[in-house]
Amino acid sequence: DTEVTQTPKHLVMGMTNKKSLKCEQHMGHRAMYWYKQKAKKPPELMFVYSYEKLSINESVPSRFSPECPNSSLLNLHLHALQPEDSALYLCASGRGTSGYNEQFFGPGTRLTVL
Amino acid sequence: DAKTTQPPSMDCAEGRAANLPCNHSTISGNEYVYWYRQIHSQGPQYIIHGLKNNETNEMASLIITEDRKSSTLILPHATLRDTAVYYCIVRVSPQGGSEKLVFGKGTKLTVNP
Repeated sequence: DTEVTQTPKHLVMGMTNKKSLKCEQHMGHRAMYWYKQKAKKPPELMFVYSYEKLSINESVPSRFSPECPNSSLLNLHLHALQPEDSALYLCASGRGTSGYNEQFFGPGTRLTVL
Repeated sequence: DAKTTQPPSMDCAEGRAANLPCNHSTISGNEYVYWYRQIHSQGPQYIIHGLKNNETNEMASLIITEDRKSSTLILPHATLRDTAVYYCIVRVSPQGGSEKLVFGKGTKLTVNP
């Protein structure tokens, strides 16, 4: 299995809602990533998990809360988002965070905040 | 900040070779050059990577200059399905932290029939 899966594909939420994005991989990868991508812009790194521990937080607002319950799963909990948080949220996984490190990306969750 | 610069857009005729340049003049000796592409509304897809030597796989070839300050991705026979944004990336290695890929603005390649 060489796939990264993300659910849901689309999500519409209000500013007072709490929702979660889910990412799963079964490639035995120990590094997992969340990226945010606005329209016509490149992906921007948000968080990196290495061996289930948060190793990079790119100064992301606390309304985004990542969680890595095990080596195959990565969640992104959302609370009190703003309309400007509407974007494509991409998950990726890789063998590690040092040395050669190809990342495998999921298809993304397209989030709309009303 | 991204450590690479690429032309914002390029066109290529179907069946011809597409040569996508990338400048990475501040690259360090142990940093790899990666190429990814992103077809509209999909996740980025890994294409190829290299350190010093030229590389080839089933998708593309990567030519890295001897001084490693620039590289070229070559799609030998472009098809309409190769229309995408192509990102040239040099890994960033924060001191004491995990390494990460920082995407630049990429090149929008349009393959025309």
